[in-house]
Amino acid sequence: DIQMTQSPSSLSASVGDRVTITCRASQSISSYLNWYQQKPGKAPELLIYAASTLQSGVPSRFSGSGSGTAFTLTISSLQPEDFATYYCQQTYSTLTFGQGTRLEIK
Amino acid sequence: QVQLQESGPGLVKPSQTLSLTCTVSGDSISSGSSYWSWIRQPAGKGLEWIGRIYTNGNTNYNPSLKSRVTISVDTSKNQFSLKLSSVTAADTAVYYCARDPGYTNGIDYWGQGTLVTVSS
Repeated sequence: DIQMTQSPSSLSASVGDRVTITCRASQSISSYLNWYQQKPGKAPELLIYAASTLQSGVPSRFSGSGSGTAFTLTISSLQPEDFATYYCQQTYSTLTFGQGTRLEIK
Repeated sequence: QVQLQESGPGLVKPSQTLSLTCTVSGDSISSGSSYWSWIRQPAGKGLEWIGRIYTNGNTNYNPSLKSRVTISVDTSKNQFSLKLSSVTAADTAVYYCARDPGYTNGIDYWGQGTLVTVSS
C-alpha cells in the first residue's frame, strides 16, 4: 500500500495568513494526488485534483503543487470559511488518504 | 446536478453484515464514465477508502478490508451497494458513497453520509 503522510497534523492561523500543508507519499505517485476540504458534519469537498488543477468553483486562493512523492496545498489568504480539515489522497494505486490536517483559528 | 444518497440500517449487531445502498441521480451508473466508491470515517478520525466498482462490475478494494467487503451495482435502479461482513465496533463510522471519475481526477460528488453503529 502507498502511505500518505500529512504535516502538520494541526495548524493555527489567522484570517489573511498564507498557509501551506504538506503531503508526502511513501513511493512516487506522479501527479495522482488530490486535496479535499471537510467541515464538521459534512462530506469532504474536492479542492484540487491531479496535484495542481483547481476543481470548478473553488476559489483561486487555493493552489496545489508537487509531483512524485512531495506535494503542497497552499491557501494564499485565509478566509473565515477556510477553517476546516484538509486531506490529501493518492489515486496512483488502491486509493489512500492522508491522516488529515486540522486548520484552526488562532 | 449529480446527487448520491446512502440508505440502510443505522444499527448493526456485532458479527453480522452491514448493508448499505447508494442511489444516484443526475448521472447514469451505466454510462461508464466513473467508478462508484464507498468511503468511511469513524467519529473524530480520518477518511478510509473502502472500495469501488465500475459499470462492468470490476471492483477494487482496500486490502485491509478486502476479505470482508463486497460492492455490487444494479444499473436498472441506478444504485450500487456495500456489504461488510463480520462487523465489530471498529466498523462504527459514517459511511459515504461517492462518484470517482478515476485516473488523476478526484472524487467529485459525495453523498451526505450515513452513520452506522455496530452494537448489540
